[in-house]
Amino acid sequence: EVQLVESGGGLVKPGGSLRLSCAASGFTFSSYSMNWVRQAPGKGLEWVSSISSSSSYIYYADSVKGRFTISRDNAKNSLYLQMNSLRAEDTAVYYCVPGGVEDAFDIWGQGTMVTVSS
Amino acid sequence: QSVLTQPPSVSGAPGQRVTISCTGSSSNIGAGYDVHWYQQLPGTAPKLLIYGNSNRPSGVPDRFSGSKSGTSASLAITGLQAEDEADYYCQSYDSSVVVFGGGTKLTVL
Repeated sequence: EVQLVESGGGLVKPGGSLRLSCAASGFTFSSYSMNWVRQAPGKGLEWVSSISSSSSYIYYADSVKGRFTISRDNAKNSLYLQMNSLRAEDTAVYYCVPGGVEDAFDIWGQGTMVTVSS
Repeated sequence: QSVLTQPPSVSGAPGQRVTISCTGSSSNIGAGYDVHWYQQLPGTAPKLLIYGNSNRPSGVPDRFSGSKSGTSASLAITGLQAEDEADYYCQSYDSSVVVFGGGTKLTVL
């Protein structure tokens, strides 16, 4: 069974940092590009970042460029999102999702909540 | 402001047909990139409903269908049921980034 388990969310003050993790199982993680997609409370879906299977290609939304860093460890079947200089508008549920930037996202984890507030 | 434009809300009575539009531009839908659709029930993660403009994943009822023309795409739901009440999102690709529509809330009257 395919499983994606996000963790690392929590409450952080503006300007602070947080590192999200996503543990993947049930599929060949190293063969798939991976993404982070977020959803602010009561708002729509927003793509955050994508990383190719070998980490050769990395893309970011303009809203997080320069502040967030996506990475992966294929040996550990894990995806990460290092979030620095956090702002109130980064408050959202963060989902890790397999797929390329043109692909449909057919598998979603349960998400992890990040709250940026003083 | 989303790159892909969806109506904020649509509604219909049980049994009726509703459509949700997703309007893009020449750099995304109009450039030939696929459109995908998601259904999100309250408090749950999104679920893939349509991929590659008009294909249904296994388990999705054939009451749901997708189409694409020019710079727009549409999701049609026939035989509306109470359990279809949810938020719906379209997704495509534009200049190295994934783009989503702003979402449409479907209310079953």
